[in-house]
Amino acid sequence: QKEVEQNSGPLSVPEGAIASLNCTYSDRGSQSFFWYRQYSGKSPELIMSIYSNGDKEDGRFTAQLNKASQYVSLLIRDSQPSDSATYLCAVNGDGGFKTIFGAGTRLFVKA
Amino acid sequence: GAGVSQSPSNKVTEKGKDVELRCDPISGHTALYWYRQSLGQGLEFLIYFQGNSAPDKSGLPSDRFSAERTGGSVSTLTIQRTQQEDSAVYLCASSFGRSYEQYFGPGTRLTVT
Repeated sequence: QKEVEQNSGPLSVPEGAIASLNCTYSDRGSQSFFWYRQYSGKSPELIMSIYSNGDKEDGRFTAQLNKASQYVSLLIRDSQPSDSATYLCAVNGDGGFKTIFGAGTRLFVKA
Repeated sequence: GAGVSQSPSNKVTEKGKDVELRCDPISGHTALYWYRQSLGQGLEFLIYFQGNSAPDKSGLPSDRFSAERTGGSVSTLTIQRTQQEDSAVYLCASSFGRSYEQYFGPGTRLTVT
């Protein structure tokens, strides 16, 4: 059973701080990795995709991938109250379209 | 441009009835996915369609669930003889090519009474 694990949280950070969200996956053959944000009562929206080891930055968001450790993370710099949401880590297997989602980490940014 | 659309947005049905949920993906997207999300839970993969390939049905929870995709576009998820445990939000997503980046519709909230 391929799994994606996330700390359910809630993770609480003050406004302006860095929020660090982590994810581990079990399938060593996984090739594509994603972070989605889901506000309460809404559907998930794509924030970041990452396919190679290292860091990928997009505005206030940085995704980090370490395939050897089977670990993906998302850093949110200068956190804002509007970043308060559930963040879902998602992983695709080798060459496949099937995507496994983690259960999500709830983030609260306190003003 | 237009995003993924789903209908109905809400559906209340009696236990034992059949329901059909519809998804209209983003134009040109080749892959279409169905997920189920129970209250406070993560996304449960149900099925995906990619181009003309056979769908991956490995996530369908029972033979009461089926899905089809007509003309490589619109998809219908059918649940026969609904049970109370089928109550959830059913999400559809589409993606283009092998980026696997998925764009979600607003979901259909299904309540089985």
